[in-house]
Amino acid sequence: AQSVAQPEDQVNVAEGNPLTVKCTYSVSGNPYLFWYVQYPNRGLQFLLKYITGDNLVKGSYGFEAEFNKSQTSFHLKKPSALVSDSALYFCAVRAAVSNSGYALNFGKGTSLLVTP
Amino acid sequence: DSGVTQTPKHLITATGQRVTLRCSPRSGDLSVYWYQQSLDQGLQFLIQYYNGEERAKGNILERFSAQQFPDLHSELNLSSLELGDSALYFCASSAYLGGNTGELFFGEGSRLTVL
Repeated sequence: AQSVAQPEDQVNVAEGNPLTVKCTYSVSGNPYLFWYVQYPNRGLQFLLKYITGDNLVKGSYGFEAEFNKSQTSFHLKKPSALVSDSALYFCAVRAAVSNSGYALNFGKGTSLLVTP
Repeated sequence: DSGVTQTPKHLITATGQRVTLRCSPRSGDLSVYWYQQSLDQGLQFLIQYYNGEERAKGNILERFSAQQFPDLHSELNLSSLELGDSALYFCASSAYLGGNTGELFFGEGSRLTVL
């Protein structure tokens, strides 16, 4: 089964410091990987995706993610964290769930807290 | 704003009751997904519809059902409700069935509380 794992429940970082939110994947074949962010009492917002090509993917709000095939990882990064980045972050992988249907399988989420 | 609209935003009901959650996808999107988010289970895929037809089922209970109407809006019906059904229910939409590689666009969810 296509799945992702987020090994950290919470990540704390000081404003202005770089941040990394970790994700590893377990996929047969080529992975389609995604990052989403969820602010309190809101829906999930798409940040970025990796399908193929350059291993460094740039997304919304200054976020980027690095695809590493040898380590089966897709870590989310930002060079300089903002307090407003504090939110719940989800890694996801596209999975076939029927002969003609696909869905995104999400990790458990990582809570990011950026302190002033 | 993702363009996906869900109603109601909040719903409180009692065990044994039945509720209907409604979703309007983004304009032009043919595919609708339902997800359940709870503290213990995380985000669980329930079901997918494409242009009115069911295309994929995930961890959806038999007490739950869904449909997508000709105008592409979708409804998720939850019956014989139990305390454990309390969760945030998300609808998401995309333009394609799944052969694309695009992202899903999520609504803001319907928070169901079963007392």
